[in-house]
Amino acid sequence: ETGVTQSPTHLIKTRGQQVTLRCSSQSGHNTVSWYQQALGQGPQFIFQYYREEENGRGNFPPRFSGLQFPNYSSELNVNALELDDSALYLCASSLSTGSTYEQYFGPGTRLTVT
Amino acid sequence: DAKTTQPNSMESNEEEPVHLPCNHSTISGTDYIHWYRQLPSQGPEYVIHGLTSNVNNRMASLAIAEDRKSSTLILHRATLRDAAVYYCILRDLKETSGSRLTFGEGTQLTVNP
Repeated sequence: ETGVTQSPTHLIKTRGQQVTLRCSSQSGHNTVSWYQQALGQGPQFIFQYYREEENGRGNFPPRFSGLQFPNYSSELNVNALELDDSALYLCASSLSTGSTYEQYFGPGTRLTVT
Repeated sequence: DAKTTQPNSMESNEEEPVHLPCNHSTISGTDYIHWYRQLPSQGPEYVIHGLTSNVNNRMASLAIAEDRKSSTLILHRATLRDAAVYYCILRDLKETSGSRLTFGEGTQLTVNP
């Protein structure tokens, strides 16, 4: 069984640019969530997708957007990058949206904005 | 979201038990108590969860106070690989976006050889 994978591993972008991060969920998982983790802090919830629809969002501006595809893989898009967007971006998948389901995290994408 | 409070850091010796505390005095009746840990340079991983009764699995045990206002994650024999940040998280059964995990700053566990 393949775990959650993310690409790329590292990325360097310039302020104002746009970036797309990708996530492949664990097999059979229909729910994916994205988190942002700044250095030295816990991950912060960005949003969740369930069966290709966004059904929960944290305190992040609209320039953070996402997609979930029929095969349950997912993308996180960030427009108009700011220096504060530099962080580790984590994707997590689960069997469903219920709060008792385990979240399986990928290794993350380290984004640096200069 | 109900809030949890954990010590910033703890130390243990290899092969000794470790008790990681978590306070959650504002817990509601529908909040599950979850623990995740994050090893260096990795994403978080699930450790254990419970509602009212103590729980055991291959990784750890979770002891929940009778009034549910605190809990303790127990690693029975710490190994060097257990050095990580441990997060205690409350998840509301009624939460519509049930996947949402609200992380605090966690407890940095150091295991000494």
